Amino acid sequence: DAGVTQSPTHLIKTRGQQVTLRCSPKSGHDTVSWYQQALGQGPQFIFQYYEEEERQRGNFPDRFSGHQFPNYSSELNVNALLLGDSALYLCASSFTGRDTEAFFGQGTRLTVV
Amino acid sequence: GNSVTQMEGPVTLSEEAFLTINCTYTATGYPSLFWYVQYPGEGLQLLLKATKADDKGSNKGFEATYRKETTSFHLEKGSVQVSDSAVYFCALKRGAQGGSEKLVFGKGTKLTVNP
Repeated sequence: DAGVTQSPTHLIKTRGQQVTLRCSPKSGHDTVSWYQQALGQGPQFIFQYYEEEERQRGNFPDRFSGHQFPNYSSELNVNALLLGDSALYLCASSFTGRDTEAFFGQGTRLTVV
Repeated sequence: GNSVTQMEGPVTLSEEAFLTINCTYTATGYPSLFWYVQYPGEGLQLLLKATKADDKGSNKGFEATYRKETTSFHLEKGSVQVSDSAVYFCALKRGAQGGSEKLVFGKGTKLTVNP
């Protein structure tokens, strides 16, 4: 079992550009959540996808959007990048139907210059 | 709203020392409580959890007890090792079941254990 995989591992973008991050959930999981972890801070919830729809959303602007595909994989898109978007982006997968723990990927380190 | 407060780090200990990392929470209802660990360059791993008051979570020598009266979930280990060096996050989740609830994290506490 490969667990949760994220790509790319590192990314450098210029202010104003757009970025897409990808996540494949752990086998058997149907729910994907995205978190932003700024340097020296705890992860902050961005949003969660289930059955290809956004089910919950944290306090993030509309520049942050996502998608979930029929195979449960997910993308996080950020438009009009700001320097403050530089962070580690973590994907977590879980199974909605049971009290299972959330498994995290290794994250994508995004640097905006 | 729900929130988690952890003791400020960094924490530096010698091998075999006793570890305590304090965590308190604010939440409505009866949240589940977690400790996650993040090793350098890696994602988060669940260390232990507790889903109701007075439950004790334990794993790899680490323990934490869900104290509703003090809204606390302090992490302890009797004898730390160099390999325990990592960042530790306290977190909560509303409700006691279901994989659909978001996690609310504290800011993290960096632990360094010297030989």
